[in-house]
Amino acid sequence: AQSVTQLGSHVSVSEGALVLLRCNYSSSVPPYLFWYVQYPNQGLQLLLKYTSAATLVKGINGFEAEFKKSETSFHLTKPSAHMSDAAEYFCAVSDSGGNQFYFGTGTSLTVIP
Amino acid sequence: EAQVTQNPRYLITVTGKKLTVTCSQNMNHEYMSWYRQDPGLGLRQIYYSMNVEVTDKGDVPEGYKVSRKEKRNFPLILESPSPNQTSLYFCASSFRSGNSPLHFGNGTRLTVT
Repeated sequence: AQSVTQLGSHVSVSEGALVLLRCNYSSSVPPYLFWYVQYPNQGLQLLLKYTSAATLVKGINGFEAEFKKSETSFHLTKPSAHMSDAAEYFCAVSDSGGNQFYFGTGTSLTVIP
Repeated sequence: EAQVTQNPRYLITVTGKKLTVTCSQNMNHEYMSWYRQDPGLGLRQIYYSMNVEVTDKGDVPEGYKVSRKEKRNFPLILESPSPNQTSLYFCASSFRSGNSPLHFGNGTRLTVT
């Protein structure tokens, strides 16, 4: 079975600062990779997904993620944090058969004014 | 509007009283799945369905049942709820498995006393 590790359950950044949320996966075969965001009292929304077409993936709201096979990582970044970015972020992977999705434990992002 | 609809949003019940959480999607998606979200554990997959009459267990299926009699509906059934099933539940769907992103409902917060 796949597993996903998100380092740091809570991350705080100042408004305007770089956002870096870490995600590592366990797989010998590049899986399908996703980042989702969850705002309070809402379901998860897709931020971006890795499709193997490019290692740097751009998503919504200025977020991007870089797939690094050698490091089995898919870290999420945003150059300049905005107050509206405060939310919980989940990294997810689906297996090669695409039947099951595995989520990390989530990182709660706080943006300090 | 394309959406996944879960009902109810909030549910408080007592141990042993059968309940059903409904899930419906209007996107003609083949793949549907259920997750529970618990603090510090992220989202864990309960059951998934690849198509009508095709269902399979996820990582935490004990104590749950599902059915997929119609493409749009995928109810989650708790025959005899217990307090350890107190959680936030999400239904999700996608056009197909693999690299198709999941579309999530807004969640059902279940409390079993």
